[in-house]
Amino acid sequence: AQTVTQSQPEMSVQEAETVTLSCTYDTSESDYYLFWYKQPPSRQMILVIRQEAYKQQNATENRFSVNFQKAAKSFSLKISDSQLGDAAMYFCAYRTTSNSGYALNFGKGTSLLVTP
Amino acid sequence: EAGVAQSPRYKIIEKRQSVAFWCNPISGHATLYWYQQILGQGPKLLIQFQNNGVVDDSQLPKDRFSAERLKGVDSTLKIQPAKLEDSAVYLCASSLLAGKANIQYFGAGTRLSVL
Repeated sequence: AQTVTQSQPEMSVQEAETVTLSCTYDTSESDYYLFWYKQPPSRQMILVIRQEAYKQQNATENRFSVNFQKAAKSFSLKISDSQLGDAAMYFCAYRTTSNSGYALNFGKGTSLLVTP
Repeated sequence: EAGVAQSPRYKIIEKRQSVAFWCNPISGHATLYWYQQILGQGPKLLIQFQNNGVVDDSQLPKDRFSAERLKGVDSTLKIQPAKLEDSAVYLCASSLLAGKANIQYFGAGTRLSVL
């Protein structure tokens, strides 16, 4: 089974600064998807960004971008110009493409604190 | 477009009691997932439906948990009898199809406390 590791339980960033959240995963597959989800106190998981393993170009969504290193099995999230509303739990998730399930396999999460 | 609806938002029960959670996915979404999120951990899949059929229930504790999606739309997850370790947030998600590129949309979850 694939495992997803987020080694930073908590991170802190000042408003308008940049922060990077780390994620590593373990897999023997060559085709898969990786995701970053944000979970605010309201508990609803919100998709931040996704990356297909076959695409070499790193995904970007406005202030959010990823650094995808397939050989190193690393998938970090960079948040630029941090805003108070970015404060939340961030989860890295892996999705296999090798079976019909396609469920997400999540890491334990990183709590991001944004200070004024 | 309405999102994934879940109810109730909170539930407190005593151990050995039964409880049920309800989920209404986004209209037209064929695939529905139930995840369990224990405090301090990421969500873990319990069961996945494709229309009204079960695709994956390998991690569902079938001695106490059951789920159904009879008409291929809304779904109910039941726990009977509940144990202390069932205290968690139960998240429902849906996607248009089960394909690899399809995005899962989540509801706000039900927080269950078992005393």
